[in-house]
Amino acid sequence: DGGITQSPKYLFRKEGQNVTLSCEQNLNHDAMYWYRQDPGQGLRLIYYSQIVNDFQKGDIAEGYSVSREKKESFPLTVTSAQKNPTAFYLCASSENDRVKQYFGPGTRLTVT
Amino acid sequence: QKEVEQDPGPLSVPEGAIVSLNCTYSNSAFQYFMWYRQYSRKGPELLMYTYSSGNKEDGRFTAQVDKSSKYISLFIRDSQPSDSATYLCAMTSTSGSARQLTFGSGTQLTVLP
Repeated sequence: DGGITQSPKYLFRKEGQNVTLSCEQNLNHDAMYWYRQDPGQGLRLIYYSQIVNDFQKGDIAEGYSVSREKKESFPLTVTSAQKNPTAFYLCASSENDRVKQYFGPGTRLTVT
Repeated sequence: QKEVEQDPGPLSVPEGAIVSLNCTYSNSAFQYFMWYRQYSRKGPELLMYTYSSGNKEDGRFTAQVDKSSKYISLFIRDSQPSDSATYLCAMTSTSGSARQLTFGSGTQLTVLP
């Protein structure tokens, strides 16, 4: 089946620890995105990548880092510098220069 | 003021009702408009996609865009309990190579059997 997978589904961490969220797609899409969703708020863009080895900051990149070493993979690291890391994180992908974005199932991160 | 405004609801309707969901926006550069459906604790699923003004129909769903009023709507006919979800509008402009979508905050819909 073609699609986007995110793992793990739920993640619990202590404050001060870095944590990496996985995102893999087998849709052969060039562009990948990371969003954050908080209750009652729309999705906010953290980082996006249009091509391997290149990525751009979104609206709320502070405290996050990404890498894009392979076309199918776009992991997100939530660092200890992120002040409010508890949220639902969504990965998406699209054909390059295409509007339609397709989302993975999400990772719910809880930091205590 | 947010670029995209969406009434958060919650909205409850009886099964079989016609549902109207709406978003307003302020950026006149937006040309592409989408509706996503998101079930609880799941990722959003692309439901409808329209370009510029006009209507688009897909089964029980109709998307309308009125660019002159900066207003978009999603209509659901013969609503079913399985339509119970949060509906997110999203939009983007034609400019720029990065398709950064701007989302509404979502409307929570419950269809009662």
